[in-house]
Amino acid sequence: EAGVVQSPRYKIIEKKQPVAFWCNPISGHNTLYWYLQNLGQGPELLIRYENEEAVDDSQLPKDRFSAERLKGVDSTLKIQPAELGDSAVYLCASSFGSGRSAYEQFFGPGTRLTVL
Amino acid sequence: GENVEQHPSTLSVQEGDSAVIKCTYSDSASNYFPWYKQELGKRPQLIIDIRSNVGEKKDQRIAVTLNKTAKHFSLHITETQPEDSAVYFCAATPTGGGNKLTFGTGTQLKVEL
Repeated sequence: EAGVVQSPRYKIIEKKQPVAFWCNPISGHNTLYWYLQNLGQGPELLIRYENEEAVDDSQLPKDRFSAERLKGVDSTLKIQPAELGDSAVYLCASSFGSGRSAYEQFFGPGTRLTVL
Repeated sequence: GENVEQHPSTLSVQEGDSAVIKCTYSDSASNYFPWYKQELGKRPQLIIDIRSNVGEKKDQRIAVTLNKTAKHFSLHITETQPEDSAVYFCAATPTGGGNKLTFGTGTQLKVEL
């Protein structure tokens, strides 16, 4: 079974430029998460989707960040415009939506963003 | 919201020794506590988890203990091996929190030969 897939793995951009990250969750996982991981820190939740609905986006800086999960499968996270402080690893994770396994989150390899 | 503290931030042990990492949490409603291992440049991987209806869970060389009264849980690795070297994160999520994991700040474990 394939794991969570993310692309690109690395991205280097100039500040004020836009950037987008893509995530494909594990097949059958209804819940999708985007996390931000700064160097030396644990992941911090940005947004959580249940199918195509964003059910928790309280930590998403909505002035510059946006996300979508059309058709309840793949998801895209966008930053526009990027700032120097956005340099970090952006992790996508997925889990089953219900049942005992609902809690277990599986992470993708992440996208390392560097803003110059 | 939930706050998770993790200690120590770095831990160095000799191969074959045991390693213990401790976490405390603030929200008494939290009921699921996973541990993730993250090697340099790689994805966090779930290695063990525990729910609040049990006090201890073991999987080969790895065990987790939970004290709900004191609101702390610990990861125990026995007979450590060089491949155990990585960053370990604890996390917690409350019932009804929509599986919103709050992570600790991580422990860099180094197993020396």
